[in-house]
Amino acid sequence: AQRVTQPEKLLSVFKGAPVELKCNYSYSGSPELFWYVQYSRQRLQLLLRHISRESIKGFTADLNKGETSFHLKKPFAQEEDSAMYYCALSPLETSGSRLTFGEGTQLTVNP
Amino acid sequence: GAVVSQHPSWVICKSGTSVKIECRSLDFQATTMFWYRQFPKQSLMLMATSNEGSKATYEQGVEKDKFLINHASLTLSTLTVTSAHPEDSSFYICSARESGRSTGQGADVWNTDTQYFGPGTRLTVL
Repeated sequence: AQRVTQPEKLLSVFKGAPVELKCNYSYSGSPELFWYVQYSRQRLQLLLRHISRESIKGFTADLNKGETSFHLKKPFAQEEDSAMYYCALSPLETSGSRLTFGEGTQLTVNP
Repeated sequence: GAVVSQHPSWVICKSGTSVKIECRSLDFQATTMFWYRQFPKQSLMLMATSNEGSKATYEQGVEKDKFLINHASLTLSTLTVTSAHPEDSSFYICSARESGRSTGQGADVWNTDTQYFGPGTRLTVL
């Protein structure tokens, strides 16, 4: 079974401060991990995925198989980063399929 | 980027009636679409995988006779909530999978398909 855990439902930081949104997973096979973001009144959209190893809007995330984690980080948070962030997992062999989502973390960046 | 639409964006119906929700991929073809359900302040829960031209695959605990899925074309999937009851009230979200290109080398080659999400449909059953 696939399981994704985001321990923090709410996270509040000040503008310019570093931010880290935690994500842990459990899956017996090879996982593909994603971060999705949902801004206020907008649809869910892909932020980044571990395979791409990209930095999107200053965010990065590294897959740590030893700790089964995929934490999302940004060194300097901006007010426009305020949103709901979901970590998600998909079996690697069926890329982008059968996503299992975490509970989500509501990030608020204060001025 | 790839765009997915849903119609209607919200619907209110009486208990016992059926409601159909449409999900369309506007600028790409999607052989696979997904239907999720989201309760207030909770995460998205996958209900079923909709495959074009074949039967949908339902997740454990989801009644296939209750939630009818039809994927008749490469750009349209529909979810029909039959004989709706107040407990079916929820936010229903669809996504469409766009095929990505392979990445990596040798044994590490794999596809990077991506799910693009619709805006969701708020169903309220009175």
